[in-house]
Formats: sequence, structure tokens, C-alpha cells
Amino acid sequence: RKEVEQDPGPFNVPEGATVAFNCTYSNSASQSFFWYRQDCRKEPKLLMSVYSSGNEDGRFTAQLNRASQYISLLIRDSKLSDSATYLCVVNVGSARQLTFGSGTQLTVLP
Amino acid sequence: GAVVSQHPSRVICKSGTSVKIECRSLDFQATTMFWYRQFPKQSLMLMATSNEGSKATYEQGVEKDKFLINHASLTLSTLTVASAHPEDSSFYICSARELPRQSTDTQYFGPGTRLTVL
Repeated sequence: RKEVEQDPGPFNVPEGATVAFNCTYSNSASQSFFWYRQDCRKEPKLLMSVYSSGNEDGRFTAQLNRASQYISLLIRDSKLSDSATYLCVVNVGSARQLTFGSGTQLTVLP
Repeated sequence: GAVVSQHPSRVICKSGTSVKIECRSLDFQATTMFWYRQFPKQSLMLMATSNEGSKATYEQGVEKDKFLINHASLTLSTLTVASAHPEDSSFYICSARELPRQSTDTQYFGPGTRLTVL
């Protein structure tokens, strides 16, 4: 079983749609959780951290359920510029290493 | 946010060549830097954790004699791919974690180096 598993995608949605990504992690000792976005042939960029209480940043809402070891990302009112691969990332271990999910590709269509 | 640079951004070389990639934190000090590799349509895979002034810690399956890491200062880590072969062609990305400040776990990523071995 992969340490971090994501929806396989790809997701193709029209502009203005709401889209949700899911992610599960296997290590119950995981300490920090993030969503990154990666554009084609570029490095990943931090989108947002994920907190137990849930957090929102504009059109983006992240949720964490530690009991179920489940993380989600909701994007409302999708824009063309949201097209990217979204990576679920978990921080595990004393070295605080990041473990990346395989990513979910999103394409927002005009 | 903090800036991490990588050099070169792209390398095309012949098989058997050694390639050196530099990762620099430009406006902060990083005691720990991480090296990742990403093959097409796959996610980032951690290769090694580089700690300033000590030996790197390699992930299982990563050959330390082939991927030589040096972290000589708080702002510079280098990855040398020794005697590169076509199967080493990949996107190599470094990240740096700032010296403990507050309780942030944020890592800042470099722009990556695309290596093509012919």
C-alpha cells in the first residue's frame, strides 16, 4: 500500500465548477499535511497547509480527518489557471521528510 | 516566501559523464536540504536528506556512490550524478527547510534540473 494515495484523475471540469480531491495516508504518526500544486515541468509549489480544524483560503478549502487518515481539497468556482497537478503531501518521521502522493491532474475547460 | 535556486536548469550530456547540480537557499539558512527525483507522469520520490556538515541519509534503493551529495554550507547543497546513464534521465528537484523558526515544516523547492543523458 502506498504511503499517500490520491484520486487517480484526471479531472476535466468546466470553468466555474466545484471540484474535490481526496487523499488517504497510511502512517498514523504523520504530523503535517499539505496540498501542493505542480504545473507541467515545474517544481511543486505550496498551495496550503491542512489543519485538523479545516482551513480555507479564498476558493480553496482543505479538510483533515485524522481518525480516518483522510485529507481533502475543495476548489470552488474553478478558473482556467487552476489547471495543474495537485499533490497531497504528508510530513512523516523525525527527519520531517515529505512524502508525496502521485498527484491528481486537473484541467479546467473554457 | 523564501527562494531556492538550482543550477543548471537543464543538462544534456553523454552517457558516462558526471553531472553536478547545485541547490542554494538565497535568503535563508537551511540546515536540511532534500533531493527528489521525478520521472514523467510520476510523483516526486525522495532520494536523500542532506544535513549541513554531515553525511547525507539516502533512501532505500538510492546508490550513495552514484548520487554524491555534499552540503558544505548552510546555503548550498550539491548533487553529483556520477557516470550518468540514460536511465538517470529525470527531473531532479531540491528543497530546503529553513532553520527552525516558530514551528514551521515548510520546505521551499528549487525550480528543478532536467537531466537528459544520451
